[in-house]
Amino acid sequence: ETGVTQSPTHLIKTRGQQVTLRCSSQSGHNTVSWYQQALGQGPQFIFQYYREEENGRGNFPPRFSGLQFPNYSSELNVNALELDDSALYLCATGPGEEYTIYFGEGSWLTVV
Amino acid sequence: SQQGEEDPQALSIQEGENATMNCSYKTSINNLQWYRQNSGRGLVHLILIRSNEREKHSGRLRVTLDTSKKSSSLLITASRAADTASYFCATTSGTYKYIFGTGTRLKVLA
Repeated sequence: ETGVTQSPTHLIKTRGQQVTLRCSSQSGHNTVSWYQQALGQGPQFIFQYYREEENGRGNFPPRFSGLQFPNYSSELNVNALELDDSALYLCATGPGEEYTIYFGEGSWLTVV
Repeated sequence: SQQGEEDPQALSIQEGENATMNCSYKTSINNLQWYRQNSGRGLVHLILIRSNEREKHSGRLRVTLDTSKKSSSLLITASRAADTASYFCATTSGTYKYIFGTGTRLKVLA
């Protein structure tokens, strides 16, 4: 049990729509990262937030955006959804012991 | 593109046998971690090894790191059916941005 909660767990959207995914942590960790994991692949880093500011970004277009709130919870927003956005979206908070990060169970997004 | 590559991509063994999976990476690192993922759920942290360490143990897990070859291996001894999962290595150069490999899918047969 990592104490990281993500919602929703599953959702289906239509191409062109927008989606918001949410992440909260009981740990009080001040850094949150989002990862995209396509089926059969490893997670890919989207971006990271530290104290409500974006603090690093992977190779994802601007239609992927995020927010971190004062309580360190976070949102991932994706605009103009494409079929290739179908994936498991993972939130991770940290750092914990030995600089580890802790993952939530993820949100499965299907774009049709 | 993903930095790490795991080998083999899939591994099937009998319960009680040892499972070894390897990871290669491309750039210098601060540490390397191994994670387990059950059936597309969240990742569970298993073990971390720092760049100045060569070997580390945790229960039935043994991790080695060879920074000259930019490679690491994870050994699971006396495997159990519950070890069936995908295993990923992840590296970081100190920013908490983790670069994951493509994973090894381990199946332990009872």
